[in-house]
Amino acid sequence: DVKVTQSSRYLVKRTGEKVFLECVQDMDHENMFWYRQDPGLGLRLIYFSYDVKMKEKGDIPEGYSVSREKKERFSLILESASTNQTSMYLCASSPLTGLYNQPQHFGDGTRLSIL
Amino acid sequence: GESVGLHLPTLSVQEGDNSIINCAYSNSASDYFIWYKQESGKGPQFIIDIRSNMDKRQGQRVTVLLNKTVKHLSLQIAATQPGDSAVYFCAERGTGNQFYFGTGTSLTVIP
Repeated sequence: DVKVTQSSRYLVKRTGEKVFLECVQDMDHENMFWYRQDPGLGLRLIYFSYDVKMKEKGDIPEGYSVSREKKERFSLILESASTNQTSMYLCASSPLTGLYNQPQHFGDGTRLSIL
Repeated sequence: GESVGLHLPTLSVQEGDNSIINCAYSNSASDYFIWYKQESGKGPQFIIDIRSNMDKRQGQRVTVLLNKTVKHLSLQIAATQPGDSAVYFCAERGTGNQFYFGTGTSLTVIP
């Protein structure tokens, strides 16, 4: 089974802090994704990566950055946390699509509160 | 951009009955669709998927139907059990290989 592990289940930080959310997958997947999930809005894509050191902006990248130094690890960085970034953050991974359709596999999320 | 929505935000069914959860999508070019189940405190879990060149796919107690004419996707759960209580949402793969997710339907199974 694919295992996507997010380092923290719950996190409380203060406004203005730099926050790191870590995600590791164990299936050698090329693709990794960061979403935030808010009530009534569904999952919204923040950033994704198709390869090491490669990143692409999703639909809501403002206020965030990412890092992918190793294939199995994808980090989300809140440069200067603000209260509107309080949310559930979900990491996902999937293999390269190629000729085959492959679903994304998710971690259990990090519930982040910014005070 | 794409928008994916669900017809009902909540659904209650009796244990043992069949459940039908619906989803509408807007991008006729979407070629791949997925249903996820999300239990409280957990991440979304893959249930079943379907390609756009199919109109039906069956899994264990679940069936996904795709109607491309009206851009509608449904998930049918047979003999619903208490463990099926969760939020279900659909996802479509649109342009640029990105997925777009619906907001979810909360299914409650009444014992």
